[in-house]
Amino acid sequence: DAGVIQSPRHEVTEMGQEVTLRCKPISGHDYLFWYRQTMMRGLELLIYFNNNVPIDDSGMPEDRFSAKMPNASFSTLKIQPSEPRDSAVYFCASSLSYTIYFGEGSWLTVV
Amino acid sequence: AQTVTQSQPEMSVQEAETVTLSCTYDTSESDYYLFWYKQPPSRQMILVIRQEAYKQQNATENRFSVNFQKAAKSFSLKISDSQLGDAAMYFCAYEVIQGAQKLVFGQGTRLTINP
Repeated sequence: DAGVIQSPRHEVTEMGQEVTLRCKPISGHDYLFWYRQTMMRGLELLIYFNNNVPIDDSGMPEDRFSAKMPNASFSTLKIQPSEPRDSAVYFCASSLSYTIYFGEGSWLTVV
Repeated sequence: AQTVTQSQPEMSVQEAETVTLSCTYDTSESDYYLFWYKQPPSRQMILVIRQEAYKQQNATENRFSVNFQKAAKSFSLKISDSQLGDAAMYFCAYEVIQGAQKLVFGQGTRLTINP
């Protein structure tokens, strides 16, 4: 099994630019999660989907963040416009039967 | 609200020795899962071990085992025969069974292995 696949692994962008992070969950998993990790706040759940439907986006910090899951094998997290405080590691994760598996993360640096 | 507490920000152990990482949690639920995740310097989150609350038997995965005390709401991780590759941040996490599949993480414990 390939595991959860995220891209890009690293992204450096200028403030104000649009950033799109991509995720391919493990095949057959029915839940998909986006987490963010920073030194100050630790691991935060941003949003999660069940069967491609967003269930809870209460963790999305503000309107600059949006996430979509157009099909069972693909999800995006978009930040527009990006700000330096968005710099973090963004994890995508998927689960089936309550065990959540994480991707390798996308390191985002906004300068 | 559910909370997870890891009271040891840092731990260190000699290679080949045994170390125990502590975790406590607060919940009013009776059915839930508990997890330990490992995060090495690469930052990848790796599932180490999983425990179902309804099971009395402690989970074991090779050198990793847990001591699950449901009444005390305690879930410690024991690493036997520590290896240099075990050096990482370790996160304890809780997930309620009813409703949404959402992990609640502790703050993490940084484990150093001394050669």
